[in-house]
Amino acid sequence: AQSVSQHNHHVILSEAASLELGCNYSYGGTVNLFWYVQYPGQHLQLLLKYFSGDPLVKGIKGFEAEFIKSKFSFNLRKPSVQWSDTAEYFCAVNAYDYKLSFGAGTTVTVRA
Amino acid sequence: DVKVTQSSRYLVKRTGEKVFLECVQDMDHENMFWYRQDPGLGLRLIYFSYDVKMKEKGDIPEGYSVSREKKERFSLILESASTNQTSMYLCASSSRTGPNSPLHFGNGTRLTVT
Repeated sequence: AQSVSQHNHHVILSEAASLELGCNYSYGGTVNLFWYVQYPGQHLQLLLKYFSGDPLVKGIKGFEAEFIKSKFSFNLRKPSVQWSDTAEYFCAVNAYDYKLSFGAGTTVTVRA
Repeated sequence: DVKVTQSSRYLVKRTGEKVFLECVQDMDHENMFWYRQDPGLGLRLIYFSYDVKMKEKGDIPEGYSVSREKKERFSLILESASTNQTSMYLCASSSRTGPNSPLHFGNGTRLTVT
């Protein structure tokens, strides 16, 4: 079974700062990778996903993530955050089936 | 837009009670899932279902059961609620187009067992 590690539990930064959230997974085969976001009081929603092709994927709201197969990583980035990016971010992975394994989540607080 | 509706936003139950959490999706999705979300642990899969009357155990099925009598409805049952089942419960659904099809989540049910 695959497992997912997110390196940061809580990140605090100021508006316009750059954001990078780390995600590593443990599975040697082909994987599908996802980042989900949960804004305060809202349901989890898909930010972006990777399953094949260009390892640099772009998602909603200016987010992007890079799949580095050799490092088993799928880090999330945003060049300039806004106060509205305050949320909890989850990395997730599945392999050959529909069971999605999630990381522990990273809470991002953006100060105005 | 896919809508996944969980019947209760908040529930308070006593230890030993039988608890039913209901989830309905309106997009004719084949797959449905129940996760629990706990601080520092992320989301952990309890049970999932690929089709009507089918169910499979996830990573933490102990103390739970499920029912899927209709395609759109997936129920989570706590046979005898315990305090360690206090948590946020999330229902999700996805289509069977492939493992890269994203999950669509409900708003969650926050269950407190006293």
